[in-house]
Amino acid sequence: KQEVTQIPAALSVPEGENLVLNCSFTDSAIYNLQWFRQDPGKGLTSLLLIQSSQREQTSGRLNASLDKSSGRSTLYIAASQPGDSATYLCAVRLTAGNNRKLIWGLGTSLAVNP
Amino acid sequence: GAVVSQHPSWVICKSGTSVKIECRSLDFQATTMFWYRQFPKQSLMLMATSNEGSKATYEQGVEKDKFLINHASLTLSTLTVTSAHPEDSSFYICSASLAGGVGGEQYFGPGTRLTVT
Repeated sequence: KQEVTQIPAALSVPEGENLVLNCSFTDSAIYNLQWFRQDPGKGLTSLLLIQSSQREQTSGRLNASLDKSSGRSTLYIAASQPGDSATYLCAVRLTAGNNRKLIWGLGTSLAVNP
Repeated sequence: GAVVSQHPSWVICKSGTSVKIECRSLDFQATTMFWYRQFPKQSLMLMATSNEGSKATYEQGVEKDKFLINHASLTLSTLTVTSAHPEDSSFYICSASLAGGVGGEQYFGPGTRLTVT
């Protein structure tokens, strides 16, 4: 059974720091992995999607890497800003085709302090 | 980009009444839509997967007669919470996948906060 774990559960950093959020999964047979951001009481915003054949994706100050063999993904946030404060969720998709179920981690709650 | 809307954004209802939540894909066609619920400080829990024109597939432990899902078109899915009770109070989020999309990316709505009194 696929399980997704995110470490740390919470993180508080001063503005400007570079930081790394970790996501691990138990079954390396994934189709893709997606990082999301959720603001309090809000829906989810997709940040980066990495297909199983890819090693990393970048968008602005965000970089996500994927190592399928070790069951790990990291989300790197450069030069963090107070506006980055949110919960970051990692989710893996197990199969291609119509069953597009995502398996979710519990998230990392990030606070960037001015 | 792909935009998904939900209506209403929040609703308060009395115990025993039914509540309908709409999920729309605004600028794309979605063959598959997903309904999640989220309790405070917890991650998303998939409730059901719906494909346009067919019956929804419910996750284990989710009562299909209580949470009615209708995916009548490629841009609209509805979730009806029937005979709501206070324990149904939660944050309900829908997501949609692009029709024919091979990337598998899901686009999420802003969520609906349901409070049952």
